[in-house]
Amino acid sequence: ELKVEQNPLFLSMQEGKNYTIYCNYSTTSDRLYWYRQDPGKSLESLFVLLSNGAVKQEGRLMASLDTKARLSTLHITAAVHDLSATYFCAVLGVNRDDKIIFGKGTRLHILP
Amino acid sequence: IAGITQAPTSQILAAGRRMTLRCTQDMRHNAMYWYRQDLGLGLRLIHYSNTAGTTGKGEVPDGYSVSRANTDDFPLTLASAVPSQTSVYFCASSDSVSSSYNEQFFGPGTRLTVL
Repeated sequence: ELKVEQNPLFLSMQEGKNYTIYCNYSTTSDRLYWYRQDPGKSLESLFVLLSNGAVKQEGRLMASLDTKARLSTLHITAAVHDLSATYFCAVLGVNRDDKIIFGKGTRLHILP
Repeated sequence: IAGITQAPTSQILAAGRRMTLRCTQDMRHNAMYWYRQDLGLGLRLIHYSNTAGTTGKGEVPDGYSVSRANTDDFPLTLASAVPSQTSVYFCASSDSVSSSYNEQFFGPGTRLTVL
């Protein structure tokens, strides 16, 4: 059974600092997703990672995937207040009957 | 183009009542999903449909039913609501479970309170 764990679950950081959110999963997967959710809003797709070593960047956010370690990271560079949100990773197993399983989310609070 | 719409936006419901949450997408996506989001638990899949005419159970299907009569609509029904079904419900859709991306797009959500 596929399990997805994110850490930390809550992160408070100063503007200008760098930090990394980790997403570990328990079984083989070839598709990993990162989403952002603002308070009271829906989920917005950030990145789709499809292969080992995949790296994608958008602004101050960079996501990477290591399928051998079953680990994805979301790195925040020089954080700004606008990045405050909850970030979810989600994983799809390789079996075609598998469904996308979400982590519990990392609530990121960036202090001005 | 609206993407995915959900109705109602919010609802307060007495326990024991029947309730249908509506979800419509205009992207001609084959797959649709219903999730519930609860504080500290993330998103949990309730039911899904890989294509019109088929449905399947997710992680937490008990107390819920779905139907998929056509590509665009995927209603979620609570036959007899209970307080533990108080949650925010998100509908999502994706092109196809077999496509390379299978990226899900989410609706705005329905906030349901069962008293």
